[in-house]
Amino acid sequence: EIVLTQSPGTLSLSPGERATLSCRASQSVSSNYLAWYQQKPGQAPRLLIYGASSRATGIPDRFSGSGSGTDFTLTISRLEPGDFAVYYCQQYGCSPLTFGGGTKVEIK
Amino acid sequence: QVQLVQSGAEVKKPGASVKVSCKASGYTFTGYYMHWVRQAPGQGLEWMGWINPNSGGTNYAQKFQGRVTMTRDTSISTAYMELSRLRSDDTAVYYCARDRRQYSISWLFDYWGQGTLVTVSS
Repeated sequence: EIVLTQSPGTLSLSPGERATLSCRASQSVSSNYLAWYQQKPGQAPRLLIYGASSRATGIPDRFSGSGSGTDFTLTISRLEPGDFAVYYCQQYGCSPLTFGGGTKVEIK
Repeated sequence: QVQLVQSGAEVKKPGASVKVSCKASGYTFTGYYMHWVRQAPGQGLEWMGWINPNSGGTNYAQKFQGRVTMTRDTSISTAYMELSRLRSDDTAVYYCARDRRQYSISWLFDYWGQGTLVTVSS
């Protein structure tokens, strides 16, 4: 099973700042099958990024994903009030699919 | 519009079973795999398995093999997840989530139910 480690656990930033979230895999993720989800309190997760760098339908371009192999990054270029949430990475290149523990982006 | 509406919260005793439903609307139910994902309080996400609503075929995470059963009723566009021999650490919000790809599997989830809280307590 691939273990995904996300860092930092919490990121304290102000609106307008840039957020950089990391997801490290315990082994190489096949074909860069790495996704990112956003979850707000009391809500279900929302798919943001798949294939490490492709934005899902309706996701604004301030969200971008990058990386390959074992190291992946989600970048939010300019934080808006609605972006403060928990972000999870997910690998789907190896069964069972697994999620990281999450990074909380909170308002500073 | 696509909607997944789940059944309400449940409280169960250890050793009991729970069955959660997920009613789909706004798309062809048999055209998309349905996954189940759970989230313990304050914790991360854990994939449990999927069902192919067209064939009824299933694939369960090894952790839940022997305890989970996923079924569907195509006449009412509803998927079900039953978890048996409940323990306190099964306390979680259980989500159904539609696979993003039509007629095959992508392992990505584009629509989610609202979640069903299952509390296991004596």
